[in-house]
Amino acid sequence: GQNIDQPTEMTATEGAIVQINCTYQTSGFNGLFWYQQHAGEAPTFLSYNVLDGLEEKGRFSSFLSRSKGYSYLLLKELQMKDSASYLCAVMDSNYQLIWGAGTKLIIKP
Amino acid sequence: NAGVTQTPKFRVLKTGQSMTLLCAQDMNHEYMYWYRQDPGMGLRLIHYSVGEGTTAKGEVPDGYNVSRLKKQNFLLGLESAAPSQTSVYFCASSPPGLAGDNTGELFFGEGSRLTVL
Repeated sequence: GQNIDQPTEMTATEGAIVQINCTYQTSGFNGLFWYQQHAGEAPTFLSYNVLDGLEEKGRFSSFLSRSKGYSYLLLKELQMKDSASYLCAVMDSNYQLIWGAGTKLIIKP
Repeated sequence: NAGVTQTPKFRVLKTGQSMTLLCAQDMNHEYMYWYRQDPGMGLRLIHYSVGEGTTAKGEVPDGYNVSRLKKQNFLLGLESAAPSQTSVYFCASSPPGLAGDNTGELFFGEGSRLTVL
């Protein structure tokens, strides 16, 4: 079967750094995606990794290890507006996205 | 530029009633999708379309039908609503990649919250 695992909830402090992990087992691999979803709103695209390594985009970075079936999203200099759910998704061999249940990130002052 | 627009935003149905959710996108995207999102679960694909006049089943298609008569619109129908269909429904669209494949960068509508009593 296909499976995406990520922690249900994490708490961090404003100004700090947090790492959200995602492990996956899918039928094929055509890329890993991270989306941000604020409560009651639509998911929005954050990042895309298809090759091993780190992709940096401002305060957000995403890492991929295909051999380990593992990714993480790194958020630096946390701001209160970063409180949201972070969704990990993998594109399988049929070019369909398989979604994790999301990690709810709570930022405390 | 409105992006992806869903109507209605909220709806309450009784078991057995039917309804249609409308999704419209103004980005000229080829791919369109209908997902449902339930607590503690990832987004699950109901149906999708890779172009005008084409539709395909996703992971959880039972109890739903779709139509894509125009490129910009993707309709989701519930034939006979059941309490298990209480959920938040998201429509999304995406452009094709250079090879015509799915880029995975989806643009979502704001969601439609459906309650079936």
